[in-house]
Amino acid sequence: KNEVEQSPQNLTAQEGEFITINCSYSVGISALHWLQQHPGGGIVSLFMLSSGKKKHGRLIATINIQEKHSSLHITASHPRDSAVYICAVGYNNNDMRFGAGTRLTVKP
Amino acid sequence: DAGITQSPRHKVTETGTPVTLRCHQTENHRYMYWYRQDPGHGLRLIHYSYGVKDTDKGEVSDGYSVSRSKTEDFLLTLESATSSQTSVYFCAISESPGQAQYFGPGTRLTVL
Repeated sequence: KNEVEQSPQNLTAQEGEFITINCSYSVGISALHWLQQHPGGGIVSLFMLSSGKKKHGRLIATINIQEKHSSLHITASHPRDSAVYICAVGYNNNDMRFGAGTRLTVKP
Repeated sequence: DAGITQSPRHKVTETGTPVTLRCHQTENHRYMYWYRQDPGHGLRLIHYSYGVKDTDKGEVSDGYSVSRSKTEDFLLTLESATSSQTSVYFCAISESPGQAQYFGPGTRLTVL
């Protein structure tokens, strides 16, 4: 079992829809990261969270430390949001573990 | 964008040959990482460095070695490449552990 579980694996939405991607992890972490991988392969760091909530434009990330769960929300989705979204957790020993990713397709 | 480059971007080699991948940064970040990305596995940490000459193993370090002789360069070496090492390799940097990581463009390695 992967230490980091993401759901759903694949998600198709219509432009304008509100999107939620979930991430659960099994042990205590030092930080949680959300990454975006573009169709061309490039990886961009979206958020780094250790508690609470962060917002950047139409993206919102939340984390519940007690429940070991994080969500990434996209408001007013757009076709350019189509990408693979990856959740990753960091541990105090500098190790990082990654989820398998959620492939998002937003249709016009 | 953070200044991270990887070279080569693509490489095809034969089983048993040595291969070295280079990651170069212009951000003066202390931490550097090597990951591999494979279908069905996602990204996995191979090795990381927390300073010049300071490195440690990650989740999938067998068959790989690394070196960091100066802040800006982190080299990943496959001493004797195997077909199971066919993958896309990403380098990343961060100022400190737990901080946001910035990724290089990736190197696609094919071992025949």
